[in-house]
Amino acid sequence: SQKIEQNSEALNIQEGKTATLTCNYTNYSPAYLQWYRQDPGRGPVFLLLIRENEKEKRKERLKVTFDTTLKQSLFHITASQPADSATYLCAPGGGADGLTFGKGTHLIIQP
Amino acid sequence: EPEVTQTPSHQVTQMGQEVILRCVPISNHLYFYWYRQILGQKVEFLVSFYNNEISEKSEIFDDQFSVERPDGSNFTLKIRSTKLEDSAMYFCASSGTRNVNEQFFGPGTRLTVL
Repeated sequence: SQKIEQNSEALNIQEGKTATLTCNYTNYSPAYLQWYRQDPGRGPVFLLLIRENEKEKRKERLKVTFDTTLKQSLFHITASQPADSATYLCAPGGGADGLTFGKGTHLIIQP
Repeated sequence: EPEVTQTPSHQVTQMGQEVILRCVPISNHLYFYWYRQILGQKVEFLVSFYNNEISEKSEIFDDQFSVERPDGSNFTLKIRSTKLEDSAMYFCASSGTRNVNEQFFGPGTRLTVL
C-alpha cells in the first residue's frame, strides 16, 4: 500500500536559518507532489506543487525538490521566521484526485 | 479573496444520530472533496465529487456516509448513524478547472459524538 513518511518529530530551527523538511514515499509513482501548511485547528493551505519532470520549484522563500528515483521530496524555507511555525504536509499526487497526506512535520521557528 | 465556508463550526451529537455537515465551495469550482482529521492524526481523504457524482472514495467512506450537492452552491456530507469513532474535524475542499491541483480547504467542522 502507499506509504508517506515525514519527519515525525518536531523540527526546531532558529530564526533566520533554513528549515529543511523531508518527505519519502513508497509504492507510488506520482506525477506530482504537493506541499501544504496546516495551522492548529485550521484546514490545510496549498503552498507548492512540483511535477515529476521538474527537479526544483521555488516560490518566494520556499523551495521544493522532487527526486523520483529516490522517491523523495525536500521542502526548504529560507530565512525562516516565527510566523513560519506550523505543520507542513506532503501529498504525493494531484489532478482531481483525493489527496493522501503524510502525518506532517511540526516546524517551530525560535526567535 | 474567495474562500470555502463550512457550517457549523462545531457539532455535538449523540451516538446513532444522523448529522449533516455543510460546505459552500468556491463559486466557480467544479471539484469537491471531504476529508477528516481525527485529533492528533493525519488528514484523511473521504470522497471526491464532480459533475454531480462521486468520482472517488476511500475505504473510510462506507455506507454510513453520503454526499450531495442539493443546489448550485452547497455541498453536504451526511453521516447516517454516528459512532464514537466518527469524532473528528471534517474539512471540505474544492478546486477549479484552471488549476485543478490546488485544493482550497474550508475551516472545518469539529464533530463530537457522545
